[in-house]
Amino acid sequence: EVKLLESGGGLVQPGGSMRLSCAASGFTFTDFYMYWIRQPAGKAPEWLGFIRNKANGYTTEYNPSVKGRFTISRDNTQNMLYLQMNTLRAEDTATYYCATGITIAAMAYWGQGTLVTVSS
Amino acid sequence: DVVMTQTPVSLSVSLGGQVSISCRSSQSLVHNNGNTYLSWYLQKPGQSPQLLIYKVSNRFSGISDRFSGSGSGTDFTLKISRVEPDDLGVYYCGQGTQLTFGSGTKLEIK
Repeated sequence: EVKLLESGGGLVQPGGSMRLSCAASGFTFTDFYMYWIRQPAGKAPEWLGFIRNKANGYTTEYNPSVKGRFTISRDNTQNMLYLQMNTLRAEDTATYYCATGITIAAMAYWGQGTLVTVSS
Repeated sequence: DVVMTQTPVSLSVSLGGQVSISCRSSQSLVHNNGNTYLSWYLQKPGQSPQLLIYKVSNRFSGISDRFSGSGSGTDFTLKISRVEPDDLGVYYCGQGTQLTFGSGTKLEIK
């Protein structure tokens, strides 16, 4: 059974940093692209970026809205996905999900999400 | 940027009825490889989104055949037939050209 479990969310001050983690299990981690997606309360989800699989060199792509502030990485020995977020703003407040998919734009498996609140 | 416009914003349907949700993109979603990466998701209250349809018309594993997707180019539709109570929630389309979601359609049961 595919499982994704996010952690690391909470309250952070504007301008601060936070690292989210996602523990993956139940599938061959290195075979899959991994995604971070966020969703402000009551709004549509927003893709933040993804990291490719082993066959595609683990390269990354980012939404322009977070490029340069957010960094996605993975530890393939521990089946972990990470999202490093810097210079956080109030508008970054959202539930953050990790996900993996079966093809482009098809996120078949999602974690339960972790809430990040950026506020003073 | 590719903008996804979903309509209607909300709709109400009787149990057993049928509904259609439209998703239109500001530019063609046909990928360089000839595929069209348009997906549909349902987010039930308090849950993570779940994949229903991918590549326009392919149902994900375990998804009822009451859900069907169609369309091409810039115009796509999700149809739900024989609506059941468990179908309520917000439906989103998602596209793979620039990885964006539509704004959502809330389905309520009359």
